[in-house]
Amino acid sequence: RKEVEQDPGPFNVPEGATVAFNCTYSNSASQSFFWYRQDCRKEPKLLMSVYSSGNEDGRFTAQLNRASQYISLLIRDSKLSDSATYLCAVKNPNTNAGKSTFGDGTTLTVKP
Amino acid sequence: EAQVTQNPRYLITVTGKKLTVTCSQNMNHEYMSWYRQDPGLGLRQIYYSMNVEVTDKGDVPEGYKVSRKEKRNFPLILESPSPNQTSLYFCASSLGQGAQTDTQYFGPGTRLTVL
Repeated sequence: RKEVEQDPGPFNVPEGATVAFNCTYSNSASQSFFWYRQDCRKEPKLLMSVYSSGNEDGRFTAQLNRASQYISLLIRDSKLSDSATYLCAVKNPNTNAGKSTFGDGTTLTVKP
Repeated sequence: EAQVTQNPRYLITVTGKKLTVTCSQNMNHEYMSWYRQDPGLGLRQIYYSMNVEVTDKGDVPEGYKVSRKEKRNFPLILESPSPNQTSLYFCASSLGQGAQTDTQYFGPGTRLTVL
């Protein structure tokens, strides 16, 4: 089993739709969680850090469920420009601060 | 402008010819990492460094070397490249210091082809 697993995708949605991605992690000691966005084989860029209480940034909401060991990303009112691959990442800064593990990514295509 | 730079951006080489991919960051970050990205295998960490002269293996270190002699630079060395090292490589840096919200900033990527 992979340490970090994401919904396989691809997700094809119409503009204006709401879409949600999940990411599960196997290491219960993981402490830091992130969502990155990657466009067309360019470099990943941070979309959101995920806080234990959940956090929102405009149309994007990230949530953490420690009991079930998953994080989620909700995108409301999808735009064409949201089409990208979304990567989740986990770290455990308390025991191995330099180590990061990424999921394989979920591809989202928003269509007119 | 705060950034991570990598060179070269594209490289085609032959099996066994030593090469170095450079990575430099101007944000005074402590942590730096190298990743490779392959279709179906995602982004995998090769090596990371938490400070000058402190490096450690990631998930796929075989066939690679790194060094961290200066804080800003973290070159990736392939002593004897092989075709299975054909990949898209990313360097990344982060502030470090154990911060829980430690964002990584990625370089633009180096597309390497080993024939």
